[in-house]
Amino acid sequence: SAVISQKPSRDICQRGTSLTIQCQVDSQVTMMFWYRQQPGQSLTLIATANQGSEATYESGFVIDKFPISRPNLTFSTLTVSNMSPEDSSIYLCSVESNEETQYFGPGTRLLVL
Amino acid sequence: GENVEQHPSTLSVQEGDSAVIKCTYSDSASNYFPWYKQELGKGPQLIIDIRSNVGEKKDQRIAVTLNKTAKHFSLHITETQPEDSAVYFCAASNDYKLSFGAGTTVTVRA
Repeated sequence: SAVISQKPSRDICQRGTSLTIQCQVDSQVTMMFWYRQQPGQSLTLIATANQGSEATYESGFVIDKFPISRPNLTFSTLTVSNMSPEDSSIYLCSVESNEETQYFGPGTRLLVL
Repeated sequence: GENVEQHPSTLSVQEGDSAVIKCTYSDSASNYFPWYKQELGKGPQLIIDIRSNVGEKKDQRIAVTLNKTAKHFSLHITETQPEDSAVYFCAASNDYKLSFGAGTTVTVRA
């Protein structure tokens, strides 16, 4: 399985500001994903981070709010823009190792005041 | 899109007893069904998975069964231990996209 790290592990931010979350994996992977987990809830896919092209967003998520970068096969960033308290969540990146198996990072716990 | 339902939402078991969590899915094209365990403050950890060409899979105290006709799959944990206490999520996948159930909070009583 892949070893995935995320930075920061947690943050407290003011509304109206933006936060960029980094995801680093220890091996090259084709597929990287970003999920949101609202307090006490399940995981919802935000987007698929595509290397060398624009991310593919799920219904209800837009690039202006959640811009994503994927400069290479081991790294991706998710920015949460113009934050409001409703953005308080755990943000998780995952990678597909082989045959659809996904492994998750430790998550970034975000609180927006 | 895929819709995954998971039951029960909470489960309390005596140490040593078995725990069973059940999930149903809606998209007959789904072909991959992983289970994740999430402990407090951590990311989800893959504990077992099953593919549509297999009916049952076992790994030590954990087993998963799949009924494609009925579109449901289950997680079985035997001889539960306090360290099994966590939130468990089922998921269904078709073409890489995972759709998750709502989660089951399992508490193992000593």
